[in-house]
Amino acid sequence: SQTIHQWPATLVQPVGSPLSLECTVEGTSNPNLYWYRQAAGRGLQLLFYSVGIGQISSEVPQNLSASRPQDRQFILSSKKLLLSDSGFYLCAWTVEGEAFFGQGTRLTVV
Amino acid sequence: AQSVTQLDSQVPVFEEAPVELRCNYSSSVSVYLFWYVQYPNQGLQLLLKYLSGSTLVKGINGFEAEFNKSQTSFHLRKPSVHISDTAEYFCAVSRYNFNKFYFGSGTKLNVKP
Repeated sequence: SQTIHQWPATLVQPVGSPLSLECTVEGTSNPNLYWYRQAAGRGLQLLFYSVGIGQISSEVPQNLSASRPQDRQFILSSKKLLLSDSGFYLCAWTVEGEAFFGQGTRLTVV
Repeated sequence: AQSVTQLDSQVPVFEEAPVELRCNYSSSVSVYLFWYVQYPNQGLQLLLKYLSGSTLVKGINGFEAEFNKSQTSFHLRKPSVHISDTAEYFCAVSRYNFNKFYFGSGTKLNVKP
């Protein structure tokens, strides 16, 4: 069966520090992968999606970047975090008819 | 471009009462429709989906939704809610190639005893 792993579960980082969130998928090949952000009291915002290795599409301009170094690995990064980067980050992959989500990372920038 | 509107940010309801969570979408092409549930500090879990066929879709936990193409709606219903249904519910749309999922802003369902 397919599973998605996302870590860490929680993270507290100072302003200006770098960020690396990792997501890996098992049980499938060449998945479509996504990073979403959920800010407090707001819905899900699509940040990045990838249809293959090295192929990244950005939905909104921001302080973040994404990379896909391997078929089932998707990384969300930042060189310098801002306070506004705080939120709940969700990795997801899709197969025809459904999206599957990781358990999320709660990022607090202080 | 697709967009999803969930008109109610919060819905309070008493236990065993019926509930309807509203979702409207806009799209110039045919879309597929989904409802997801999110419990605190967790990822999203699929409740139900409409891809084709019958416009009345039944999902897990006793939820159902009806696709109404003329009104571009996909409202979620449950005839009798439980305390355990307290969560945030998201409506989503995707185009035929499933390359992108677009989510509404969410509706927090608060079931009171």
